[in-house]
Amino acid sequence: DAKTTQPPSMDCAEGRAANLPCNHSTISGNEYVYWYRQIHSQGPQYIIHGLKNNETNEMASLIITEDRKSSTLILPHATLRDTAVYYCIVWTTDSWGKFQFGAGTQVVVTP
Amino acid sequence: DAGITQSPRHKVTETGTPVTLRCHQTENHRYMYWYRQDPGHGLRLIHYSYGVKDTDKGEVSDGYSVSRSKTEDFLLTLESATSSQTSVYFCATTGTETYEQYFGPGTRLTVT
Repeated sequence: DAKTTQPPSMDCAEGRAANLPCNHSTISGNEYVYWYRQIHSQGPQYIIHGLKNNETNEMASLIITEDRKSSTLILPHATLRDTAVYYCIVWTTDSWGKFQFGAGTQVVVTP
Repeated sequence: DAGITQSPRHKVTETGTPVTLRCHQTENHRYMYWYRQDPGHGLRLIHYSYGVKDTDKGEVSDGYSVSRSKTEDFLLTLESATSSQTSVYFCATTGTETYEQYFGPGTRLTVT
């Protein structure tokens, strides 16, 4: 299975864009990139996912490089409520039961 | 959010006692999962189910068993609880259109 690498932590000023990188250099052609976040003591929350193309929803944007070896999650206008651990996961429907969460990135949004 | 509830939300039990945690969903999702989360280890998969009576092991299944007799319920049992099983347990389900996982609120289990 492909694994991901994320920075352990990052800070972001409230109102600014937060750009969270993820490296997945061994990703295979049928693996999606998923992003989740976990606010302290709550269950993880789905944010967005993509295969090749960039994706945007009401929460965030996902930018996937052309070679698919890395991606960036963008929170366009960070708020204090975006303080959380963000997980980048690669996954395919061939791997039911292998949805692996790594250590993630602790994002702290400051006033 | 998918309608996922977990019970109990908090439990303290003694070493050697059996414990059953319940996950209930109202979305009719086929796939259900049990994870545990510990400091320094992140979320780790214990068991998962791909249908009624169909289950399989995850990466940390030793000491745990599961059962799924109905689509909506997935039970996690610790046959004889140990202190190493003190953890926060999360249940999740997977939608079959976009495959994102929906998580329950978690159960905090303390084994003394």
